[in-house]
Amino acid sequence: QVTLKESGPGILQPSQTLSLTCSFSGFSLSTSGICVSWIRQPSGKGLEWLATICWEDSKGYNPSLKNRLTISKDTSNNQAFLKITSVDTADTAIYYCARILWVYYFDYWGQGVMVTVSS
Amino acid sequence: DVVLTQTPSILSATIGQSVSISCRSSQSLLDSDGNTYLYWFLQRPGQSPQRLIYLVSNLGSGVPNRFSGSGSGTDFTLKISGVEAEDLGVYYCMQATHAPLTFGSGTKLEIK
Repeated sequence: QVTLKESGPGILQPSQTLSLTCSFSGFSLSTSGICVSWIRQPSGKGLEWLATICWEDSKGYNPSLKNRLTISKDTSNNQAFLKITSVDTADTAIYYCARILWVYYFDYWGQGVMVTVSS
Repeated sequence: DVVLTQTPSILSATIGQSVSISCRSSQSLLDSDGNTYLYWFLQRPGQSPQRLIYLVSNLGSGVPNRFSGSGSGTDFTLKISGVEAEDLGVYYCMQATHAPLTFGSGTKLEIK
């Protein structure tokens, strides 16, 4: 059974660094064809892809967030991570992680974690 | 970036009615590997998105067969043949042919 669960700080202040963790089970990020992505959704708005990391450690980032994103993984502990530097109120959103299996994008999603940036 | 334009933005349907949602891309989504990386998702109120359709027309695991996807190139359609109450929510198309991966702006399905 595949599950993913996001965790984060809940609330943080502008200019701080946001650190998110995606803990998953039922698959391994060392298996060929497996990737994990981060996607976010501001309240009442649409979905925005942020970053992806794959089994062979390739990474992809949304250029709209320029150099603020860093994605990483801990294969032994079945976790993927996302850091966003210099947050501001526009980064307030629900953050999801989701699995990719080869061409089968986002077949499983986490429940999402709400992150609020406020002074 | 590839822009996906979904129409309509709001759709009101009665139970049993058949409806279609359009997703038009600013570029062809046919990849050089022969695949077309166009997907459809449903986000029910208060829930995470769930994938309905992958690679244009393939039904996801456990997805009812009243959902179907079609299209090619830049024009794609999601059809629901006989709307049920549980189908309410926001439908998104997504492309993964061109980086960065992008989503459409969503179509909200309301039940009359």
